[in-house]
Amino acid sequence: TQLTQSPSFLSASVGDRVTITCRASQAIDSYLAWYQQKPGKAPKLLIYGASTLHTGVPSRFSGSGSGTEFSLTISSLQPEDFATYYCQQLNRFPLAFGGGTKVEIK
Amino acid sequence: QVQVVESGGGVVQPGRSLRLSCAASGITFKTYALHWVRQAPGKGLEWVALISNDATERKFADSVKGRVTVSRDDSKDTVYLEMNSLRPEDTGVYYCARDVGDLDYVYYGMDVWGQGTTVTVSS
Repeated sequence: TQLTQSPSFLSASVGDRVTITCRASQAIDSYLAWYQQKPGKAPKLLIYGASTLHTGVPSRFSGSGSGTEFSLTISSLQPEDFATYYCQQLNRFPLAFGGGTKVEIK
Repeated sequence: QVQVVESGGGVVQPGRSLRLSCAASGITFKTYALHWVRQAPGKGLEWVALISNDATERKFADSVKGRVTVSRDDSKDTVYLEMNSLRPEDTGVYYCARDVGDLDYVYYGMDVWGQGTTVTVSS
């Protein structure tokens, strides 16, 4: 099952509402996770089960979707949110990540 | 203090083997599935392998199938990735990570990650 993330690059300002989309080539129910990665660091889990916020993740992050269409929304972009975001499907093997979305400061 | 530490990376010639280790302290790996994920220089994340909580399910990416094995030692809170017939395209940072789920054979995402160990395959 392949995942297509869009956009691959996003330029935004602090305070903006940002939405990243992840489309699966086959239905994956709600077995989708979102991660944030900063340069030189390991990824951090933000969302799992498509919409469950992981412990300690700020509430400005939210996830939605099921089947083949998913989205990650940051309601008000903060300076620490500039990073690369990946979706991952965990419904069928081989597991797969999307290609990533780099969020940069406008 | 929670720590997950990978080790065993290095520079290796094509065709050779390498064994990566990942040890946890301050948390337990017992009862959790464990993943290996890699990242080539300047590229995105690639899932490599999974071992279930009871080690009965082991799954691999197509790119490494037949060349890689995964094992775990719960008495040491450690997971291993044995890589054989290494290729230049295996170069990257290798991370181990614990699955957040606690159901048998159901996987939800990776909540605890190590800092990564670098593997370079080059002659």
